Amino acid sequence: DQQVKQNSPSLSVQEGRISILNCDYTNSMFDYFLWYKKYPAEGPTFLISISSIKDKNEDGRFTVFLNKSAKHLSLHIVPSQPGDSAVYFCAAPAGGTSYGKLTFGQGTILTVHP
Amino acid sequence: NAGVMQNPRHLVRRRGQEARLRCSPMKGHSHVYWYRQLPEEGLKFMVYLQKENIIDESGMPKERFSAEFPKEGPSILRIQQVVRGDSAAYFCASSPQTGPNTEAFFGQGTRLTVV
Repeated sequence: DQQVKQNSPSLSVQEGRISILNCDYTNSMFDYFLWYKKYPAEGPTFLISISSIKDKNEDGRFTVFLNKSAKHLSLHIVPSQPGDSAVYFCAAPAGGTSYGKLTFGQGTILTVHP
Repeated sequence: NAGVMQNPRHLVRRRGQEARLRCSPMKGHSHVYWYRQLPEEGLKFMVYLQKENIIDESGMPKERFSAEFPKEGPSILRIQQVVRGDSAAYFCASSPQTGPNTEAFFGQGTRLTVV
């Protein structure tokens, strides 16, 4: 049962344009969401998060939008840079008070072309 | 402040051997989580430990896999009698506490190859 889904395995964007990565979830109990970025041969790095009491959270070039009714969130990167090329995972804490027990999506490979 | 340290980075084992993966959490972190990433898939939670205690092992395979986080020393993920299907990247994460706005920090992972 894939409770967090990233249906686009890959995304290719030109440098300077907007990258939009999408994520859907099925568990209505999820109340906090995180985006992680992962380079090859490295561990995931926390990027940005959003609580379900908000519909938007912004940090520099990164903005996450949450649509609770649609059980959908998206990560916007503007402007995209070649260094943003990585795998992006959305994740949600699996319940309880432990925010280290996460349910991850399958990931989206972002490639930003110069 | 060093990050989460995992070793070895790469581990090759023959079928039937034992694999031991180590994880030293960030300084001051007492919560450790292990994840496995199979090829072409996302990370899957395996086990959550605090010092000397297994809190949640709902993601651990029922056989051959065990984990510990002793009072002194790193957390260990042990896989006995490895099979080819155990080949994956294993990531450890740590956090100082649990609850809201407490993100976990990941190590660089151990890539296990079973030949």
